[in-house]
Amino acid sequence: AQSVTQLGSHVSVSEGALVLLRCNYSSSVPPYLFWYVQYPNQGLQLLLKYTSAATLVKGINGFEAEFKKSETSFHLTKPSAHMSDAAEYFCAVSGGLNTPLVFGKGTRLSVIA
Amino acid sequence: ETGVTQTPRHLVMGMTNKKSLKCEQHLGHNAMYWYKQSAKKPLELMFVYNFKEQTENNSVPSRFSPECPNSSHLFLHLHTLQPEDSALYLCASSQGTGQNSPLHFGNGTRLTVT
Repeated sequence: AQSVTQLGSHVSVSEGALVLLRCNYSSSVPPYLFWYVQYPNQGLQLLLKYTSAATLVKGINGFEAEFKKSETSFHLTKPSAHMSDAAEYFCAVSGGLNTPLVFGKGTRLSVIA
Repeated sequence: ETGVTQTPRHLVMGMTNKKSLKCEQHLGHNAMYWYKQSAKKPLELMFVYNFKEQTENNSVPSRFSPECPNSSHLFLHLHTLQPEDSALYLCASSQGTGQNSPLHFGNGTRLTVT
């Protein structure tokens, strides 16, 4: 079975500061990992995905994530936070062949001016 | 324009009402999903359709009834709901249901059951 743990339900950073959102996964098969973002009153939007190629994955809006098998982690980072980054972020792991994604509980990111 | 359109955006219904949520995708995908998003809970997968066939029913109460007439349209029929069913209902689609098929979400229907 697959599962995802997102550490911290709420993260607050200052504008221009580093953003770090943590995600640890558990998977019985080689995982495919995803980060999604949800802005207020909208659905989820794909930020980036790891599919067993490069361990450092670059996504949209300046975000990137690094797959670390030894730590079973897939943390999301951005060097400099913008006000527009304020949203809820979800980590997800594939459930294996033909099994839908398993999502974490989400981390709400606040950006302070 | 997300490629996945959900209507209505907001719905208020009484416990004895019958209503339907609609989802349409313009991406040529073969799989469609219903998710329930409640405050402080992970996204709950409700139903999955692949090539119009239901492949997953995640122990959803029978007061929720899905319908998938073709690969582009998905409905969620609602009847005799409970107040705890109030939530954001998200529709999504993907090319397939495999590991390398990201989901594309609609903006959701905010449902309030009174």
